[in-house]
Amino acid sequence: DQQVKQNSPSLSVQEGRISILNCDYTNSMFDYFLWYKKYPAEGPTFLISISSIKDKNEDGRFTVFLNKSAKHLSLHIVPSQPGDSAVYFCAASAFSDPGGGADGLTFGKGTHLIIQP
Amino acid sequence: GAGVSQSPRYKVAKRGQDVALRCDPISGHVSLFWYQQALGQGPEFLTYFQNEAQLDKSGLPSDRFFAERPEGSVSTLKIQRTQQEDSAVYLCASSFTADTQYFGPGTRLTVL
Repeated sequence: DQQVKQNSPSLSVQEGRISILNCDYTNSMFDYFLWYKKYPAEGPTFLISISSIKDKNEDGRFTVFLNKSAKHLSLHIVPSQPGDSAVYFCAASAFSDPGGGADGLTFGKGTHLIIQP
Repeated sequence: GAGVSQSPRYKVAKRGQDVALRCDPISGHVSLFWYQQALGQGPEFLTYFQNEAQLDKSGLPSDRFFAERPEGSVSTLKIQRTQQEDSAVYLCASSFTADTQYFGPGTRLTVL
């Protein structure tokens, strides 16, 4: 049973336009969400995160939106650039778990973003 | 170093061999995580250390998998009697504040 779902295996966007990557989760204990970007033969690179007490976090061209009631988050990239072509992973954790300490991340399967010139 | 490093980057093992994968976390990072990523999937959590203490090993798939971090910095993931289904990329991540995890490049293990 997948707790974090990225339903689009791939997405093609024209350079300069907005890229929107979506992610759904089922575990209501998740309260911290992250997006990672991955190039082939490299490890995931942290992009942006959001805590469940917020509904939006922005960093340059990247904005993450969180809709807790719908258990849905999205990553917006605007404007999209050729270097943004990569696999994007959504990840979640129960950061404030009463057990304390850090928590292993639960990842989606990723969305391959292709930016076309 | 500037980031998390892992060695070797690639490992080919014959079925039944033991392998050891190394992770050097970012200096000063208290938390260290191991993940397994199969082809076409997202990373899956294996185990977590806070300093030298292994606080969670719920993701280790079998008792053939063993991880240690004896001095609270470098960690080793050991897989005994490797099987073909162990073929995957093994990722190490570290964090200071227990929220954002920073990943290494991974070790691609192929079991023949």
